[in-house]
Amino acid sequence: DIQMTQSPSSLSASVGDRVTITCRASQDISNYLNWYQQKPGKAPKLLIYDASYLETGVPSRFSGSGSGTDFSFIISSLQPEDIATYYCQQYDNVPLTFGGGTKVEIK
Amino acid sequence: EVQLLESGGGLVQPGGSLRLSCAASGFTFDISAMSWVRQAPGKGLEWVSSITASGGKTYHAASVTGRFTISRDNSKQTLYLQMNSLRAEDTAVYYCAKMDQGALMGAFEFWGQGKMVTVSS
Repeated sequence: DIQMTQSPSSLSASVGDRVTITCRASQDISNYLNWYQQKPGKAPKLLIYDASYLETGVPSRFSGSGSGTDFSFIISSLQPEDIATYYCQQYDNVPLTFGGGTKVEIK
Repeated sequence: EVQLLESGGGLVQPGGSLRLSCAASGFTFDISAMSWVRQAPGKGLEWVSSITASGGKTYHAASVTGRFTISRDNSKQTLYLQMNSLRAEDTAVYYCAKMDQGALMGAFEFWGQGKMVTVSS
């Protein structure tokens, strides 16, 4: 199975800050990597697919990059509504696997 | 508008069975691969099962293989998850999800609101 390691597991930042989350795959997954946002008590929402493509309707302050084993997810200017847990997910191989999540809070 | 509405969750004793259903609308169901993803209380996301658009191919996580079965009825636009021999560790919110492509491998494009399954005596 492909293991997905996200870091940090949690972070606290101020409104307007740039936030970076990293995701490392245990083997080369090309660009088969997606990012999700999950707000408390809600279902996850797809934000980024294929490592760097923004899902329709998602604000441009969100972005993703990377390929192979190392990926990054960036919020360029943190907003209060971005408080959530973020997950990466690989689809290079079954089982489809998620990172452990990064909880983003406002300082 | 895409809608995925799960039903069938609840409380069941260890060793018992339960069937989840997911009624889909707002998209062409019979060309969409579908999946189930679960989330134990306070934990992260875990993929459970996926099925191709035709229903001809299915995949299950090792943790549920032999106990859970994913299926679909395209005439009813409904996805199912039959869960047998349930264990305490199956306690979770179960989400139905539409894949972003007709194939199994891709992104979970849309999600249902989730249904709680509690396995306890």
